[in-house]
Amino acid sequence: DVKVTQSSRYLVKRTGEKVFLECVQDMDHENMFWYRQDPGLGLRLIYFSYDVKMKEKGDIPEGYSVSREKKERFSLILESASTNQTSMYLCASSGLIMNTEAFFGQGTRLTVV
Amino acid sequence: KNEVEQSPQNLTAQEGEFITINCSYSVGISALHWLQQHPGGGIVSLFMLSSGKKKHGRLIATINIQEKHSSLHITASHPRDSAVYICAVRGDRSGGGADGLTFGKGTHLIIQP
Repeated sequence: DVKVTQSSRYLVKRTGEKVFLECVQDMDHENMFWYRQDPGLGLRLIYFSYDVKMKEKGDIPEGYSVSREKKERFSLILESASTNQTSMYLCASSGLIMNTEAFFGQGTRLTVV
Repeated sequence: KNEVEQSPQNLTAQEGEFITINCSYSVGISALHWLQQHPGGGIVSLFMLSSGKKKHGRLIATINIQEKHSSLHITASHPRDSAVYICAVRGDRSGGGADGLTFGKGTHLIIQP
């Protein structure tokens, strides 16, 4: 059974803290993505990576950075968390060929207080 | 940037009813995904299609490329079908490289017993 695993289901952090959200996939996928999901706005792409050490900005990269040191792991970093980053964060992965299925993690609900 | 519109936003139906959820997009795509999200956040991919029609059990997805429109149908609906259904499209990029999906805002479906 294919798996995309996010390190935490629920997370509460204080304003100004550095936050790491981890995502691991076991399908040897080249592409990995981080999205955030907010009521009324749907899912929006933050960053994606198509190879180790490669990253591309998505639609809303401000306030975030990412790291992909190994193929199976893609980390989302909030350098200094703010309350407007309270959201559901979803990681996804897919194969290299464009029309391959995307697989999603279970989501991390982050609350910044 | 592709605009993805789903309708209806909310749908409540009785068990056994035939359900249709619609998705329209604004520019050419390479693939369209139908996703299901249950309470708690995890997203499951139901279908990926680029033409025609696909069927899995009671679920049917169709796409009309010329009209830039797709529908998801559920036959003999059941309370366990209650979830948010999300349409997502992947752009028609000839330049290669990874590309995130663009999502509709989702349809919140409730099937009452």
